[in-house]
Amino acid sequence: KAGVTQTPRYLIKTRGQQVTLSCSPISGHRSVSWYQQTPGQGLQFLFEYFSETQRNKGNFPGRFSGRQFSNSRSEMNVSTLELGDSALYLCASSRGSPAYGYTFGSGTRLTVV
Amino acid sequence: QQQVKQSPQSLIVQKGGISIINCAYENTAFDYFPWYQQFPGKGPALLIAIRPDVSEKKEGRFTISFNKSAKQFSLHIMDSQPGDSATYFCAAVGSAGNMLTFGGGTRLMVKP
Repeated sequence: KAGVTQTPRYLIKTRGQQVTLSCSPISGHRSVSWYQQTPGQGLQFLFEYFSETQRNKGNFPGRFSGRQFSNSRSEMNVSTLELGDSALYLCASSRGSPAYGYTFGSGTRLTVV
Repeated sequence: QQQVKQSPQSLIVQKGGISIINCAYENTAFDYFPWYQQFPGKGPALLIAIRPDVSEKKEGRFTISFNKSAKQFSLHIMDSQPGDSATYFCAAVGSAGNMLTFGGGTRLMVKP
C-alpha cells in the first residue's frame, strides 16, 4: 500500500516568489491536512481539506492557500515568499476522522533565500 | 497560545531503561490523544493513541497513561533501545475539528 507522497522533496526559492507543493494521499483517504514544521514553532496546522472543501484552517496569513482535487490530491501554495517561510511542509492524509489516524508524508523542505 | 505542553525537550536514556515523556493540555474539548515518532528526514509516524475514557493503553513496549482530571498524559517506553532514538510528539485532537495540535517535541537519545 503506497504511503503519502509529497513532491518535490526539496525546494529553494527566492524571497517574493511563490511556490506550489503537491501531496498525493493514501488511496481511499479523502482528508488531506497540511502542517508547517520549524525548529522555533514546532508543528503547526495550516489547513485541512475533505472532499475538495476546506474544513479547517489554522492561524496563517492569506499568503498560504490550498486546494484539493476530485482524486483527493492536494496542493498548497505560498505567495510572496518570506525568509520565515523556510520550513518542512508536511502533508497528512486520513479517511476523514481522527479515530482512523493520520499518515504523514516525508515532507517538502522549502528554503527561502 | 500553546495548548499542549510537552516535557522534557530532550532526554538521554541508557539502553534497557524507561523513557518517560509528559504532556499537559488545556482545552477540555480535546478527545483524542496520539503520540508520533519522527526520525530525521521523515514525517511523523503514529505510534499509539488514546481516548480520555481510558486511563492506560499499552502496545508492545509503548504505554500511554492518561489522567483526565489533571489534563495530563504521558508516554512510557519500556526497555528503550538505540533504535528508539527519535523525536517524539504528543498531540491532541478536538471533537470540533480534524486538526492535530502538537506538543513541542522531545528528542530522545538511547545510549547503547
